[in-house]
Amino acid sequence: NAGVTQTPKFQVLKTGQSMTLQCAQDMNHEYMSWYRQDPGMGLRLIHYSVGAGITDQGEVPNGYNVSRSTTEDFPLRLLSAAPSQTSVYFCASSYSSTRGDNQPQHFGDGTRLSIL
Amino acid sequence: AQKITQTQPGMFVQEKEAVTLDCTYDTSDQSYGLFWYKQPSSGEMIFLIYQGSYDEQNATEGRYSLNFQKARKSANLVISASQLGDSAMYFCAMREGKENTGNQFYFGTGTSLTVIP
Repeated sequence: NAGVTQTPKFQVLKTGQSMTLQCAQDMNHEYMSWYRQDPGMGLRLIHYSVGAGITDQGEVPNGYNVSRSTTEDFPLRLLSAAPSQTSVYFCASSYSSTRGDNQPQHFGDGTRLSIL
Repeated sequence: AQKITQTQPGMFVQEKEAVTLDCTYDTSDQSYGLFWYKQPSSGEMIFLIYQGSYDEQNATEGRYSLNFQKARKSANLVISASQLGDSAMYFCAMREGKENTGNQFYFGTGTSLTVIP
């Protein structure tokens, strides 16, 4: 009963380093997305994907890359970490709206990322 | 313009009382979905309740109900008989139904609810 699995749970990076946050889901969901959560700002969409091989930008895409080579995996890459990217990152997945608008997003437990 | 607006940064409620958390939304789509999530201090996001734009009746799930006023574009969450475990952040979210955007979800900034014993 894994659902959405995010790794790592915590990470500290130095400015300029790169890293990949992993996200995997086992529910055969078409739609996957990455959010960052900062105090007082709710969840902001970084990138999303409607299926393998298809990705698009959200509200705050700068400094992040994504790819979707399989239905299950949707990694988020930080190209050159900056202190402004210190945040909690959530991966989420859901069925596409073709199955109905009532499909909620299922969230991973989050990754707490600190950039020094 | 904000897609989802939650105007109450913090709310307090006495245990066993009811509380309403406000949410207004902005969309030009005819078909959309509205969701509420709970985020306890442990950090996970928990789906609570859904309301579809074409649903004529307000959604209910146990102690949670959604007061949907389409003309006013509001989707307030009502929690009845509050419990100490209801203390958490609550987020309102909307899923638009545009065919070509993959149905993006938009979240509000959240309301922090504290239940007082």
